[in-house]
Amino acid sequence: SQQGEEDPQALSIQEGENATMNCSYKTSINNLQWYRQNSGRGLVHLILIRSNEREKHSGRLRVTLDTSKKSSSLLITASRAADTASYFCAVSYSGAGSYQLTFGKGTKLSVIP
Amino acid sequence: GAVVSQHPSRVICKSGTSVKIECRSLDFQATTMFWYRQFPKQSLMLMATSNEGSKATYEQGVEKDKFLINHASLTLSTLTVTSAHPEDSSFYICSARGTTPTGELFFGEGSRLTVL
Repeated sequence: SQQGEEDPQALSIQEGENATMNCSYKTSINNLQWYRQNSGRGLVHLILIRSNEREKHSGRLRVTLDTSKKSSSLLITASRAADTASYFCAVSYSGAGSYQLTFGKGTKLSVIP
Repeated sequence: GAVVSQHPSRVICKSGTSVKIECRSLDFQATTMFWYRQFPKQSLMLMATSNEGSKATYEQGVEKDKFLINHASLTLSTLTVTSAHPEDSSFYICSARGTTPTGELFFGEGSRLTVL
């Protein structure tokens, strides 16, 4: 069953603003990954954070992981209209098959020009 | 990054027919591929794990006789939806494990199946 949960389910912001999305999970993980999906397309890997890491950066993306709260956040700074997409967190649970991921329900981000 | 090609991107078929979807890793060898199903505005549901040269491992509730998976080579996995019905209409996505140790998965562009 899907255990990752993102919030908010939908987010609408103005271009230039920052967008923050959160993800929660239920049991111990190997790593947590964030993916982006444009409407009707496949997923694009954004960033992976391991269970022993607390923060990672990639360009305008910043991901944090709090294993005590079993949560992660994805921050997109200085958003652009092209960032409009659905964003999914996916967790690799400890003990699960190698590279098996459980996806959250996603946050639909709309960036208004 | 690595490229995964999925074909066809869209397919419409009549109820009762079978449809084959291909997933190819174009520039790397993928010993493991995954097949997902995604309903509108919902998340990806893992259907099965496809291992080259062996039988696929299906998730609970997924009918293996309905969704046939073949992973005959290191670059190709196929999903065949047999005797398709309208309730099988969905977006099917494959992913392949890359060769880096980071655990990154590369996804195909998805296949939209519509069963009339």
